[in-house]
Amino acid sequence: KQEVTQIPAALSVPEGENLVLNCSFTDSAIYNLQWFRQDPGKGLTSLLLIQSSQREQTSGRLNASLDKSSGRSTLYIAASQPGDSATYLCAVKGGANNLFFGTGTRLTVIP
Amino acid sequence: NAGVMQNPRHLVRRRGQEARLRCSPMKGHSHVYWYRQLPEEGLKFMVYLQKENIIDESGMPKERFSAEFPKEGPSILRIQQVVRGDSAAYFCASSPPGQGRQPQHFGDGTRLSIL
Repeated sequence: KQEVTQIPAALSVPEGENLVLNCSFTDSAIYNLQWFRQDPGKGLTSLLLIQSSQREQTSGRLNASLDKSSGRSTLYIAASQPGDSATYLCAVKGGANNLFFGTGTRLTVIP
Repeated sequence: NAGVMQNPRHLVRRRGQEARLRCSPMKGHSHVYWYRQLPEEGLKFMVYLQKENIIDESGMPKERFSAEFPKEGPSILRIQQVVRGDSAAYFCASSPPGQGRQPQHFGDGTRLSIL
């Protein structure tokens, strides 16, 4: 059964710093991996989707990488801003149609 | 193009009552997924439906929970005889047809509280 782990569980950084969030998964037979953002009391906003054949995806200040063979992904956030404060979730999609989620990294960017 | 719409946003029920959660997928999406997020836990898959068909319900509790996605109208997640442990955020996601590689788009969820 697929298990997804995110480290660290919480992270605080001063505004302007670059940071990396980590995600690992146990079964490398995946279709794709998605990074989401969740604000308190809100739904999930999709940030980046990496297909299994891809190595990375970029959107603005965000860059996500995927190393399928080692079961790892990272989300890099450049020049962090207070508005980036949220919980970041990693989810993988395998042969079944559902997503397997990690428990998230709660990011606080301090002005 | 409206996103995934869930209602109600908040639902309060007393133990033993029924809860009905609704989800309208994005336009053009025929695949619907329900997930549950218990306090301080990650999202867990419950059920995957296409129009008039349950494709995968491996994450659904065996009793009291049911889901449908009729030909017309929203998908419904129904919880009978609710208990305190059902308190959670329930999220619906949808995706277009296409095996495996399509991203899932999420609604804002329904927060269910059981008194």
